[in-house]
Amino acid sequence: GAGVSQSPRYKVAKRGQDVALRCDPISGHVSLFWYQQALGQGPEFLTYFQNEAQLDKSGLPSDRFFAERPEGSVSTLKIQRTQQEDSAVYLCASSLYGATQETQYFGPGTRLLVL
Amino acid sequence: AQKVTQAQTEISVVEKEDVTLDCVYETRDTTYYLFWYKQPPSGELVFLIRRNSFDEQNEISGRYSWNFQKSTSSFNFTITASQVVDSAVYFCALSEASTGRRALTFGSGTRLQVQP
Repeated sequence: GAGVSQSPRYKVAKRGQDVALRCDPISGHVSLFWYQQALGQGPEFLTYFQNEAQLDKSGLPSDRFFAERPEGSVSTLKIQRTQQEDSAVYLCASSLYGATQETQYFGPGTRLLVL
Repeated sequence: AQKVTQAQTEISVVEKEDVTLDCVYETRDTTYYLFWYKQPPSGELVFLIRRNSFDEQNEISGRYSWNFQKSTSSFNFTITASQVVDSAVYFCALSEASTGRRALTFGSGTRLQVQP
């Protein structure tokens, strides 16, 4: 596709529910990133994949957060037993190789509201 | 540890005014990269510019210009003759080369409102 796509765009969950957020990176991009953006704040890094390998998950806030990219393309961020503090916009980005100097291209985000 | 500070939370200008968005960064790395992104109401972060730490030349792209000064650890962004379509939240971000971390560190953003 032309850009990074994410689905769903909006998700409302009841506290305690599990959610799954999908990211489709730019075709051919090796690296994929997930960020969390709280209201009025800048995005904060969650995790990074190079192909199917999850090379950095230092930003995941708890073991309720899990991400995968099994075939090195589409990625899913799963949040188990959602809490109200999980309410945020979840942004996905991709880059061609993942080098630090490369530009990361972002998707429109998934806005998650936990009630 | 790396840090990006955007002290201006919100700026409001009238169309055709010039406006400068400030960005101050902290890093111990000698090789690093600075970015500016625009986030319109639709939510998608739109890439504007990337600079590496060895290139202090100022850059101009149409109505946009960037002033990178290592001596003050700043990477400021100026919009000349602002337009209503420039209204958005603007983020400055940093990545470091030597740590191997690929993550971008973002500032908290500056919301720019351009009034007609």
